[in-house]
Amino acid sequence: GESVGLHLPTLSVQEGDNSIINCAYSNSASDYFIWYKQESGKGPQFIIDIRSNMDKRQGQRVTVLLNKTVKHLSLQIAATQPGDSAVYFCADNTGRRALTFGSGTRLQVQP
Amino acid sequence: GAGVSQSPSNKVTEKGKDVELRCDPISGHTALYWYRQSLGQGLEFLIYFQGNSAPDKSGLPSDRFSAERTGGSVSTLTIQRTQQEDSAVYLCASSLGISELFFGEGSRLTVL
Repeated sequence: GESVGLHLPTLSVQEGDNSIINCAYSNSASDYFIWYKQESGKGPQFIIDIRSNMDKRQGQRVTVLLNKTVKHLSLQIAATQPGDSAVYFCADNTGRRALTFGSGTRLQVQP
Repeated sequence: GAGVSQSPSNKVTEKGKDVELRCDPISGHTALYWYRQSLGQGLEFLIYFQGNSAPDKSGLPSDRFSAERTGGSVSTLTIQRTQQEDSAVYLCASSLGISELFFGEGSRLTVL
């Protein structure tokens, strides 16, 4: 079965608020994790990645947190904007050569 | 090219027909992937090419599906005797390694 999964299919937030998108994974051998953003009608776009030897990584307005104890990954988006509305996927690599993607969370930003 | 290019962007076909989907990866990228995305779903891995190594075909759902990559560049995904359940968006991606896959816009396949 899938190595990764998501807690919520849809997340609605107010513009300007912070967003937190969660992801659970089952394979303790997963050593690399990526978040992708997919806007309607487009291919997924890379947001940020993190390796299993780290527990936090920051980018521009985004932070990824990794909790290996509970096999949990989260994506935090600061000051969410309308342009952040999209489906967000986490993906992992367990040593297999291709990434395994979760089913995605739709983020809706309310004005 | 500047990005991963896929064609056709839309394909409508009749059940039982064969289809070919093309992917032109980013120049210099040694890895090429095909994924399938059904409506409202995640990405289902199909096949992976890395350099001259044997492709990882473990995600192909049936023997009606095949893919090749010629000269380490362009790839073609072929679906024979299409079925309605094959309807989906087929996404191609390329990369220099396992990280940061660059995806194309996808080919939307509709099987009537």
